[in-house]
Amino acid sequence: DAGITQSPRHKVTETGTPVTLRCHQTENHRYMYWYRQDPGHGLRLIHYSYGVKDTDKGEVSDGYSVSRSKTEDFLLTLESATSSQTSVYFCAISESRGGAYNEQFFGPGTRLTVL
Amino acid sequence: SQQGEEDPQALSIQEGENATMNCSYKTSINNLQWYRQNSGRGLVHLILIRSNEREKHSGRLRVTLDTSKKSSSLLITASRAADTASYFCATDAKDYKLSFGAGTTVTVRA
Repeated sequence: DAGITQSPRHKVTETGTPVTLRCHQTENHRYMYWYRQDPGHGLRLIHYSYGVKDTDKGEVSDGYSVSRSKTEDFLLTLESATSSQTSVYFCAISESRGGAYNEQFFGPGTRLTVL
Repeated sequence: SQQGEEDPQALSIQEGENATMNCSYKTSINNLQWYRQNSGRGLVHLILIRSNEREKHSGRLRVTLDTSKKSSSLLITASRAADTASYFCATDAKDYKLSFGAGTTVTVRA
């Protein structure tokens, strides 16, 4: 998985607790993305980053926040987890504008269960 | 909302046969990409076709793009057990963003 790691790989938490997922890359790519994958929905973009401290919302950003203080790390935080946020979360990176001229490389995913 | 929609949702074929899946999308695109996802893994990029291209090949993969019909197809020739996976098309909707379909699950029987 092309120099991208996600941690933790699995997490079970309770409703109302904060959760932070970490994505770490060693490729020095500028663009980073967080997706969630649910049955029947494909991948949906949560947030993305186009540089250190530069982030923007995707199509399903409610209930999530992100931070990027270093090129290599992109954090996804669920401030107060809900059962609807049970999902598999994928981080992706791209060297150029995501999708415009270059492919995205994906991490191995984090399976999050909110009870 | 999903830009790309794959068809069929699932496909089962015999080893050695060809597998064809289609993707339709709604708005104009700069390019269209296909990805593969093996069970429990992240997505892997297969091929990118730009809007001014009509056909592209990569090994046993053949992708076509018809912008007039807003559709693309992915053909896997001489399938192998290792091709068992889900396949997703992705289109660039707005800056920096890809829009993925729900995928086609391909099962290759030995």
